[in-house]
This record gives sequence, structure tokens and C-alpha cells, in this order.
Amino acid sequence: GAVVSQHPSRVICKSGTSVKIECRSLDFQATTMFWYRQFPKKSLMLMATSNEGSKATYEQGVEKDKFLINHASLTLSTLTVTSAHPEDSSFYICSAAGTSGRADNEQFFGPGTRLTVL
Amino acid sequence: SQQGEEDPQALSIQEGENATMNCSYKTSINNLQWYRQNSGRGLVHLILIRSNEREKHSGRLRVTLDTSKKSSSLLITASRAADTASYFCATDANDYKLSFGAGTTVTVRA
Repeated sequence: GAVVSQHPSRVICKSGTSVKIECRSLDFQATTMFWYRQFPKKSLMLMATSNEGSKATYEQGVEKDKFLINHASLTLSTLTVTSAHPEDSSFYICSAAGTSGRADNEQFFGPGTRLTVL
Repeated sequence: SQQGEEDPQALSIQEGENATMNCSYKTSINNLQWYRQNSGRGLVHLILIRSNEREKHSGRLRVTLDTSKKSSSLLITASRAADTASYFCATDANDYKLSFGAGTTVTVRA
């Protein structure tokens, strides 16, 4: 159980276009989803936290108008990179925390999406 | 923000040897977690240790936690080529957010 999927796994787009990445919890309800960004050979940087039905909370330095997050249901969150530029090229990973009532706040990670902006 | 720091940054060992990596953090935590990431892939959760625990085992993995020193270690015993990956510690300060360390890249030579 506790499987999280991401789609697409890999996307290449032209500069100036917008790209949407989906994160789905397949077998549990995710009240909270997280979006991370990872540069090559670097650690994961938390971009934002989204709770179902409410606005996302962005970390300092992350442009909310650039990275639009929607968490419309308990199983789906989307990240849209608007007007993408080459510096937005990165590995984007989502995670989901469910309603299992666990005290450990365990997060389950998706497989990641490799975005390349030409 | 990242609060974990890991050392070493990279580790190369022979198959069958043990690999030890360390993680230090700055603030109080609810728990600390270790993850593995193969190149270009997502994260695999390895083990979680709570702040009131000192040691935990899972298969060939042994994790220790010293909250007085704000540090943790991950030991992989009898390493295999398949253990080649990057390993990250992540701390949870009980606010649902995880802060990741910089990671240790482990290469296991056959």
C-alpha cells in the first residue's frame, strides 16, 4: 500500500510554455501533499505544502505565480510550471501524507518527474 | 530549509564491507528518517527512528540516534552492488515537513 504516482515521468518543453505535473496517491487519501525540487547531485528542496481544498503554502524564495499548485481532491495534486525557462529544468518530486492517523507523519514519495526546458 | 548535514559526501567500498554514514541536524525533531535514491529515481523510505529511540534495525540496516548530539548514523552491513545509491537523512520537526540532508553517495565495487 501507500503508492504515489507522478505523471509524466519525463517532459521536454520549449521555453515559455507551461508544464503540468500530476501527483496521485493510488491507494490512500492524502490530506497533505508536498512538492520538492532536486538539482543534479543535490538534496531535495521543499517548494510547497498543499492541503486538500486550500491554498498551498510556499517556502521562502519559491514564486507562487511561477509554480502553481492545486490540490483539488484527496488523491490528486498538480504542479504547473508556468512560462518555463531553462533554469526551471530540474527533477520534481512529490510526496503525500495520508489520513491513517499515524503519529509519525510519514510521507510517501512519487518516482519524480524530470523536466527539461529547451 | 535544509537542516541536515551528512558526511561523508561520497563513499566507495568493496562488496561485503560495511558502509557508515552520518547525519547531523540543528533543531529538535519528532523523528528522523533515512531514504535511498537510485540515480534519476524517486526516494525509497528505508527506516524511521523516533526521537525517543536510540537504535533501530531493519535487515542489514542499523540506525542510531543521539538527540543530545543531534546526530544519527546509518550502517549498511555486508554491502552489495545493489546498495549503490545516494542516501539521505530527513528530519521531521512534527510539522509534517521534512528537511533533507545533502546526501551521501555510496558506491559498492564488485
